Formats: sequence, C-alpha cells, structure tokens
Amino acid sequence: DGGITQSPKYLFRKEGQNVTLSCEQNLNHDAMYWYRQDPGQGLRLIYYSQIVNDFQKGDIAEGYSVSREKKESFPLTVTSAQKNPTAFYLCASSTLSDRESYGYTFGSGTRLTVV
Amino acid sequence: LAKTTQPISMDSYEGQEVNITCSHNNIATNDYITWYQQFPSQGPRFIIQGYKTKVTNEVASLFIPADRKSSTLSLPRVSLSDTAVYYCLVGDLNTGFQKLVFGTGTRLLVSP
Repeated sequence: DGGITQSPKYLFRKEGQNVTLSCEQNLNHDAMYWYRQDPGQGLRLIYYSQIVNDFQKGDIAEGYSVSREKKESFPLTVTSAQKNPTAFYLCASSTLSDRESYGYTFGSGTRLTVV
Repeated sequence: LAKTTQPISMDSYEGQEVNITCSHNNIATNDYITWYQQFPSQGPRFIIQGYKTKVTNEVASLFIPADRKSSTLSLPRVSLSDTAVYYCLVGDLNTGFQKLVFGTGTRLLVSP
C-alpha cells in the first residue's frame, strides 16, 4: 500500500544533541512538508519542498534543517539551536499535478522528547 | 492564503447529527475547501473536499453556500469513535495545496 512512513514513532534526545527524523513516501508525490504540533494546538509549518534539491522555510524554521536528495525522502534534523524541541512532528506529502488530489497525506508522526 | 475560523469545541451524543461550521470570508476563486480529522497522536486524515454546493461521501457531507464564505461539515449519527479534532482548510488545488494553514481546529467530544 502507498503511504508515508515516519520513524521512529518515539524519540528521546538529550539537550544539546542534534537528532534526525525520517520521512519516506512511496506515493510518487512531488511536494513534502514538515509540521510541528504542540499539545492542544494546530499544526505549524517548519519546512516544505516542491522538488528534489529544493526546499523553503515555513513559519517556524529556526533550529531545524532539512534535505531533499530523493523524491521519496525528506528528513528533518532538529538541531541544538531549537530551544523547545519537545513536540509531535508530522510529515506530509502532496501531488502538484493532479487536480483531483485530495490535498495532503500525512504520516503517523514522531513524538520527540528532550530529556 | 484564506484564513478560517471554526468553533474551538463541540459536544454531542452518540447517534446525533453534528454540524461544524467554518468561516472563510476571504476565500479566493480558485480555492477548494477541505476538512481533515485528527485523532490523538496521529496525523490528520482527509475527510471531504468541495468547491461549491454540496458534496457527500460515505463519511460526511459538506455544504457550501453560493457565496462560499463559509462551509458546514455534517457528520450523520456520530459514534464515540468520531471524537477527534476537525480542521477546515482552504487552498488552491491548482498549486497542489502548498503551505496549507492549520488552525486549532474544532475539538468534537461524543459522549454515550
């Protein structure tokens, strides 16, 4: 079945460490996105990418970095510069060419906790 | 991007019909309206999408008036498993829904 896979589901990080969250999709979608969700809040956009080797900052990009070396993969690195990284991280993808698209397809998320 | 406004929370009982209204006064001509459902610790999932009038699928109905400045998600005969957060979004389908803006959504609680 096609979909988006995020790993790991739970991740613990010590303060001062970088950590990378994985996101892989086999939907042949062009665009991929990273969102952050805090308890009781909506989703906030961190980074997005429309094509391979290109990406743009979202609303809260500080302290995060991404890469898009392959169409299927869009890993997110939470750096030590991110002051409050504990949150639920969601990856999504969408097609840019299908006018019958149902918008975004989301992964199941990674819950990051700084200890 | 058009901003949306929806109630923060709603309560209902099993078997009742639930209607959640979303305001999007600045919706653009090319914008579609899409609703997502999110359970705790899961990613949002698509429920229904429409442009105008009424759309119905096996899960819900979406009512959109002629001026398109609002929309109403209708969930018939809700069950406990419909307890979730529901997000209303507008976006241009022609651009692949880049940078969709998720508000805080409507938290629906269904009780026995």
